Amino acid sequence: DAEITQSPRHKITETGRQVTLACHQTWNHNNMFWYRQDLGHGLRLIHYSYGVQDTNKGEVSDGYSVSRSNTEDLPLTLESAASSQTSVYFCASSNRAKGQFFGPGTRLTVL
Amino acid sequence: DQQVKQNSPSLSVQEGRISILNCDYTNSMFDYFLWYKKYPAEGPTFLISISSIKDKNEDGRFTVFLNKSAKHLSLHIVPSQPGDSAVYFCAASGGGSEKLVFGKGTKLTVNP
Repeated sequence: DAEITQSPRHKITETGRQVTLACHQTWNHNNMFWYRQDLGHGLRLIHYSYGVQDTNKGEVSDGYSVSRSNTEDLPLTLESAASSQTSVYFCASSNRAKGQFFGPGTRLTVL
Repeated sequence: DQQVKQNSPSLSVQEGRISILNCDYTNSMFDYFLWYKKYPAEGPTFLISISSIKDKNEDGRFTVFLNKSAKHLSLHIVPSQPGDSAVYFCAASGGGSEKLVFGKGTKLTVNP
């Protein structure tokens, strides 16, 4: 069965370190998205991609970057982790008819 | 500026009764609306959607109503079941964009 996976599921890191969160989908969707979920804010879009080599900034992109070298993967990199980036991160891929399919999430803690 | 608003952070209903979750939007370009359900420690899952050319869409116990003039949509769950207890997110897209704008969510608790 097609799916979307995220790794790691939990991560603790220190301020200033570079962190990369992985997202892999086997739906063969062109569109992929990264969100963060914080109490009182719902889901906020960080970056998104409409295909290989395409990346775009979302609502809260500062301090984050993505790259898209193939259809299946959209890794999210925190260049220099900050405590304000402690959050739960969700990756999604989309089919217009059925909306976006979300991964299980990565809980990131920056100490 | 919040483009999608869910003004009720929480809602509690009795099993078997109707649950009504509300969502308001401000962007007139939105033409596609979705509801997602989220359990703790899991990703959101798609529940039901509606295009702006319709005013109602039904799927089993779930019905979404869209009032374009009021820029308001609602999700009705009838009858409510304890397994429906979750956070429900309203989302919208428009102008041909695949991006979704989410509300902050409403936590539904269905009491046995």
